[in-house]
Amino acid sequence: GNSVTQMEGPVTLSEEAFLTINCTYTATGYPSLFWYVQYPGEGLQLLLKATKADDKGSNKGFEATYRKETTSFHLEKGSVQVSDSAVYFCALQTGGFQKLVFGTGTRLLVSP
Amino acid sequence: GAVVSQHPSWVICKSGTSVKIECRSLDFQATTMFWYRQFPKQSLMLMATSNEGSKATYEQGVEKDKFLINHASLTLSTLTVTSAHPEDSSFYICSAGTSGSGDEQFFGPGTRLTVL
Repeated sequence: GNSVTQMEGPVTLSEEAFLTINCTYTATGYPSLFWYVQYPGEGLQLLLKATKADDKGSNKGFEATYRKETTSFHLEKGSVQVSDSAVYFCALQTGGFQKLVFGTGTRLLVSP
Repeated sequence: GAVVSQHPSWVICKSGTSVKIECRSLDFQATTMFWYRQFPKQSLMLMATSNEGSKATYEQGVEKDKFLINHASLTLSTLTVTSAHPEDSSFYICSAGTSGSGDEQFFGPGTRLTVL
């Protein structure tokens, strides 16, 4: 079946450090890949997405590239801020307006 | 735009009682709504998918008689946990989408249910 594996957290960084959160997936067919972010007390928000191999999703300084050969979609940011502290979820979706399959989430804590 | 609300944000109830959670799309019409359950330090697990005016489609292993889902209008879906037990304590999250949003789902802030 379809599944998403994320690195366990929490990930603790100092402000302006480089961030990588690993995500790999298993899926039949050609899924779309997503990163969602959940700030404290809020609902999940779409951060970025990629719908086909080699696509790069980007938003708010975050980037992730759809790597079909390694079945990965790692999230990166060159310089994190305290305001980036949140839980990040990697997810996949196979076909149209279908259900999302989520990873377990990775908590990011950024200190000043 | 694309705001989804949930009510209540948290609820505590006694074992054996029923609890209703509302999910509303505030500024768009949601043709499809999804209900998820999230355990501590675990991923969101889809419980069911509901389309306005039709019966919900439940995921394997989800008891449809225990988790009643109603999607009576394009802006409201409800999840009722019937005869709740402590093992039903969890964080319940809804999301909503519309045909105009492509494949994007918009998530509510979640409801924390604690059954004593």
